[in-house]
Amino acid sequence: DAMVIQNPRYQVTQFGKPVTLSCSQTLNHNVMYWYQQKSSQAPKLLFHYYDKDFNNEADTPDNFQSRRPNTSFCFLDIRSPGLGDAAMYLCATSREPPSLLPTDTQYFGPGTRLTVL
Amino acid sequence: DAKTTQPPSMDCAEGRAANLPCNHSTISGNEYVYWYRQIHSQGPQYIIHGLKNNETNEMASLIITEDRKSSTLILPHATLRDTAVYYCIVQPPYKLSFGAGTTVTVRA
Repeated sequence: DAMVIQNPRYQVTQFGKPVTLSCSQTLNHNVMYWYQQKSSQAPKLLFHYYDKDFNNEADTPDNFQSRRPNTSFCFLDIRSPGLGDAAMYLCATSREPPSLLPTDTQYFGPGTRLTVL
Repeated sequence: DAKTTQPPSMDCAEGRAANLPCNHSTISGNEYVYWYRQIHSQGPQYIIHGLKNNETNEMASLIITEDRKSSTLILPHATLRDTAVYYCIVQPPYKLSFGAGTTVTVRA
């Protein structure tokens, strides 16, 4: 009964080679988030989708893009991965964004650990 | 954003209560206190949240001081599976911002 699914769990890519990470959800939530978590650091929000509306964080590098073709799926594209992009990438969902429903909670997937060679 | 301060680490004996403190002296009147935890190599997991009243659920209790400048998460009977990083987050109006958290190690 997995609710937020991330595939693959481990991804290896080469320096500069585009890579796509995927996330799907069975909760029918309106909001999907992508976080980056580097080793021994806290998760950092990259961007989120509220329905079809894309909301980028100001300090997210242009190298990171996202797509949400439908309610259930969201993708994280890294156009030219650098060694500094090696991290755990976490997908999360919520029914509504915190700005509309501060009491809502986020449900996280297990993450995809990205290695850049 | 309101900032939180947590001790970097703490140990707890299995079966005993674990009391995790969090300071959030700049919290605004409409900001909630959230607690999440992250077990090693997993995604964060919601635990509990509160505004000003104490809260309890099947996982934990949350005690918020009257001035709302600090709070304590209580795990009533810690088990080895509660070993994790615990994040205290004051919910800003648009995003969930994780701080450094407290690494809790439950020992047998």
